[in-house]
Amino acid sequence: NAGVMQNPRHLVRRRGQEARLRCSPMKGHSHVYWYRQLPEEGLKFMVYLQKENIIDESGMPKERFSAEFPKEGPSILRIQQVVRGDSAAYFCASSPPSVSYNEQFFGPGTRLTVL
Amino acid sequence: AQKVTQAQTEISVVEKEDVTLDCVYETRDTTYYLFWYKQPPSGELVFLIRRNSFDEQNEISGRYSWNFQKSTSSFNFTITASQVVDSAVYFCALSESSLGVLRAGKSTFGDGTTLTVKP
Repeated sequence: NAGVMQNPRHLVRRRGQEARLRCSPMKGHSHVYWYRQLPEEGLKFMVYLQKENIIDESGMPKERFSAEFPKEGPSILRIQQVVRGDSAAYFCASSPPSVSYNEQFFGPGTRLTVL
Repeated sequence: AQKVTQAQTEISVVEKEDVTLDCVYETRDTTYYLFWYKQPPSGELVFLIRRNSFDEQNEISGRYSWNFQKSTSSFNFTITASQVVDSAVYFCALSESSLGVLRAGKSTFGDGTTLTVKP
């Protein structure tokens, strides 16, 4: 059973471009979480999605950031018109649709560098 | 609101020393989970332990041990006989419950403690 997959692992963008980060959850998992880790800081929650629904986006910046988790395919975190301050590691985690808790399984992260 | 405080930003020890990483948390939930993760220089997150709020038993796994004290809202992590390979950033995290049921929820992370173990 493959773990959470994220691609690309490294992404370089110039200011003003768009960045698309993909997360494929573990098989059978229907909950996805996105976190951002700025340099020298801990992970900060961004958004929690279930298939086709955004459950909690309280950590998402109001502008330029969006996330989706379609019925088919990976979850996408999209950053429009990137700025240097968006440079960070973006981690995705997934968990199964169980009533009882199961831990979040983290992917390896995507390191975004904005030039 | 939830908060996790790791007061030690950096710790440096010599190999074979014991070291304790502190974690203090704040939450209004009565049901929650606490975690420790290791982030080595390669950058991935390595899960170390999960503890739910109902279980205050301390746990030992090899050279690692965890002390959960609900009365002081602390979940400290001790590495015994540290090794150079233990050098990493260690994160403590708190996961909220949903409707009082222990189910997956977003996690709040501390800012991490950078541990350097010198040979």
